[in-house]
This record gives sequence, C-alpha cells and structure tokens, in this order.
Amino acid sequence: DIMVTQSPDSLAVSLGERATINCKSSQSLLYSSDNLNYVDWYQQKPGQPPKLIIYRASTRESGVPDRFSGSGSGTDFTLTISSLQAEDVAVYYCQQNFATPITFGQGTRLEIK
Amino acid sequence: QVQVVQSGAEVKEPGASVKVSCKALGYSFTNFAVHWVRQAPGERLEWMGWINGGNGNTAYSQKFQGRVSITSDTAASTAYMELTSLTSEDTAVYYCARDRTTTWWGAMDAWGQGTTVTVSS
Repeated sequence: DIMVTQSPDSLAVSLGERATINCKSSQSLLYSSDNLNYVDWYQQKPGQPPKLIIYRASTRESGVPDRFSGSGSGTDFTLTISSLQAEDVAVYYCQQNFATPITFGQGTRLEIK
Repeated sequence: QVQVVQSGAEVKEPGASVKVSCKALGYSFTNFAVHWVRQAPGERLEWMGWINGGNGNTAYSQKFQGRVSITSDTAASTAYMELTSLTSEDTAVYYCARDRTTTWWGAMDAWGQGTTVTVSS
C-alpha cells in the first residue's frame, strides 16, 4: 500500500497569516500517461463529513475560496492557505488515488493562534 | 442540488453484519462511482472499496476482502455497503462519497452525512 504522511500533525496560525501543510507519499503519485499527480486534499470540520478542496494536486474544487492552493509533484505535496480565516479551522487530509487501496494521510489539525 | 443521503445509526453485536445504504439525489447515479470510507475514533480516514454506478464493477481494499460487499440498485439510485463478522474494531463512522467520475481515481466530491456503526455486546 502507498503510505501517505502529513506534517505537521497540528498547526496554529494567526488570522490573516499563511498556513502550510505538507504531504509525502511512499512512492510517486505522478502518472506518466497524463502528467497528473493523483493526490487530493480534504477539509473536515467537527461533526461533518470531509469536503473536497483540491484535486489532482493543484486544481481547486468549484466554490472553494482562492486562498486555498495546492502544489507539488511526485512524492511531495503542499496545501497552502494564503490568509487564514476563522472558518478554516478544521482537520485537513491528503489522499492518494494513484493506486488502490486509496490511502489518506493521518490529518493535520489547523487552529487559530 | 447534489446530495448523498445515508441510512441511520446502527448498533450491532460482535459477529453480526451491518448493511448501510447511500442514496443519490440531484444527479444521475449511473454517471458516477461511489466510494465507502470509514473513520474510527481517533483514526485516519480508511478506504474500504468502490462501485461504478454505471456497470456495477467493484474494487475492495485487501484489508476488508471477504468481509465487505458493495452493491447498487440503479433503479433506486442507491449504493449499499455490507460488512460481516463485526468486531469492536469496526466501530466507526461509515461514509459514502461520490466520485467525480465513474472510476476510483477521480476524487470524492460529494459525501454522505455519515452512519455511525457501534459494535458492542
């Protein structure tokens, strides 16, 4: 199985500041046939299901604010929130769908400093 | 408006089976796939398997092979996940989620509200 590891486990950022979450996979998630990275990012708020925010490493899901961005290729990926808002407090998960079983990172808890 | 609506909470004894349903509203069930993902207390999200809503093809995580069955009723726009031989380690919130495509690699863009399954004697 492909292992997906996030860092840090938790993060406290001041309102309006940048938040950065990293995701590392045990093997490359870049599919050579289409040159796309098969990694997605989800946001989960307490008591709610996860919500897709970024797919294919860098494509923002419809309706997601543009302060959210994804980057990276191969085995190393990053989710960046450019200016943290109060409503961004959540647990963030990266997930690979390059191969089955689909696997998720352990999650990063983002809080307000 | 796309919605995914799951069946209600379940309490089961060890050794029993549970079947959770997942109804698609506001979109054509056969044009998308459905994943099943569970979240045990304090644990990361865990993928269990997937079904192609159009042709019924399935794929399962090896961890659950032999214990999980994912089926669908296209007339009812509903997918089902049945898990057998339950133990306390199966206590979790079970989610279904629509894939953006009919494949398993499209990304999960609409999630059900979750179904809590508690396994206890």
